[in-house]
Amino acid sequence: ETGVTQTPRHLVMGMTNKKSLKCEQHLGHNAMYWYKQSAKKPLELMFVYNFKEQTENNSVPSRFSPECPNSSHLFLHLHTLQPEDSALYLCASSQLTSRLYNEQFFGPGTRLTVL
Amino acid sequence: AQSVTQLDSHVSVSEGTPVLLRCNYSSSYSPSLFWYVQHPNKGLQLLLKYTSAATLVKGINGFEAEFKKSETSFHLTKPSAHMSDAAEYFCVVTHSSNTGKLIFGQGTTLQVKP
Repeated sequence: ETGVTQTPRHLVMGMTNKKSLKCEQHLGHNAMYWYKQSAKKPLELMFVYNFKEQTENNSVPSRFSPECPNSSHLFLHLHTLQPEDSALYLCASSQLTSRLYNEQFFGPGTRLTVL
Repeated sequence: AQSVTQLDSHVSVSEGTPVLLRCNYSSSYSPSLFWYVQHPNKGLQLLLKYTSAATLVKGINGFEAEFKKSETSFHLTKPSAHMSDAAEYFCVVTHSSNTGKLIFGQGTTLQVKP
C-alpha cells in the first residue's frame, strides 16, 4: 500500500454518462496529480494541484473536470466522454519542498472503459 | 529541457540471470532520477531514487542503479532475476525544481522466463 487510494477500481460508462473518480491520500502531502495511461503510450500528466490550487492543466479537454476540495482529496469529474478516453487513470501525491527530489506516490488506478 | 530515454522497449531474461534496463537522461541542471515499477493492472511503485548523494543507489527487491553524469545514464540492474520481477519499468527525471512535475520514459517491459 502506498497511502494513496482510488475508487472505483473499474468503471464502464456510456458516452452520455456523468461519473466521478475519487482519490485520497493519507500521507500528509501538499500536491496531488492526475495521470492518464493509455496502452502503448507514455504516461500523460493531466492536472497538478499544489495546496489545493490547480497549477497545471496540460491541455486536457473540458469533458474532464478536476476538483480538489482539500489537500487530501482529489476528484476527476467525467462527462460526455469518447471511446478514446478509455485508459487507466492514476492519481499521485507528493510533498513539495525546496528540494528537487519530489518522488510521487501512486494509487492503484481506475480502469475506465467508455462504450 | 529535461528528457529521458529508455533504450529498450522490451527486455527478456531467464530466471536467475542478471537484469539490465537502460536509461539515458538529458537535463540542464542536476536532476533527481527515479525508477518506478508497474505490475499488470497496478499503480506505479517507487523502486529507488537518486538525489545527488551517493551515485550508486540501492532500492527495493534487490534492484540498484548507478548515476553516471559523464554518460548521462541511470541504468537499473539486478544480479538475479525472479519471476515476480516481470513488469513494466519507468525511468523518471524531475522536470525542474519545486514544480512537482516528473518526466517519464516510455517504459521497458521486463519478461522473465523460467
